[in-house]
Amino acid sequence: DADVTQTPRNRITKTGKRIMLECSQTKGHDRMYWYRQDPGLGLRLIYYSFDVKDINKGEISDGYSVSRQAQAKFSLSLESAIPNQTALYFCATGQGTSTDTQYFGPGTRLTVL
Amino acid sequence: ELKVEQNPLFLSMQEGKNYTIYCNYSTTSDRLYWYRQDPGKSLESLFVLLSNGAVKQEGRLMASLDTKARLSTLHITAAVHDLSATYFCAVDPFSYQLIWGAGTKLIIKP
Repeated sequence: DADVTQTPRNRITKTGKRIMLECSQTKGHDRMYWYRQDPGLGLRLIYYSFDVKDINKGEISDGYSVSRQAQAKFSLSLESAIPNQTALYFCATGQGTSTDTQYFGPGTRLTVL
Repeated sequence: ELKVEQNPLFLSMQEGKNYTIYCNYSTTSDRLYWYRQDPGKSLESLFVLLSNGAVKQEGRLMASLDTKARLSTLHITAAVHDLSATYFCAVDPFSYQLIWGAGTKLIIKP
């Protein structure tokens, strides 16, 4: 089984709709991240959480919110989706050690019409 | 402004050739990461470089880090088709919040 899972994998929605993307991990990591990927722009950090009670905005948090329901679960919400939020969204986890790398989920492809 | 710049952004090469991808960054960072992404797939960690002069190798890929020049290189030796992917570098100036390059799309032709 995958260590980091995301649901849904694909989603098409309409402008103005509320949508939630979910991420679960079995790696036991405290740190979780949400990124979006746009062609030619690499990955940009939306929100990150270092533990259940520690949630922080990233580079592009406007229009997004998150919830850390448990160590293993980190959800991303778009309160009122707009077309320029069409992107590939990745959840990642990390241990937070000096040799830390981040482990990525499979991604959610979101299209906002 | 924090910037991570990769060069080139697109590279098409023949099997058997050698090439280098460059990653320049604008801020102090003691850690640099290289990731690989296959089309339509997630990102996979390749290397974590933790100090100036660090060099790591895995198969036909070798990564190095020069923190004084704020430069990392990913060298491909005798490329094979299976190495076709997009390669990203990222730096970690703020305690595990990665700043990413735009990626280098590598196509290796048989």
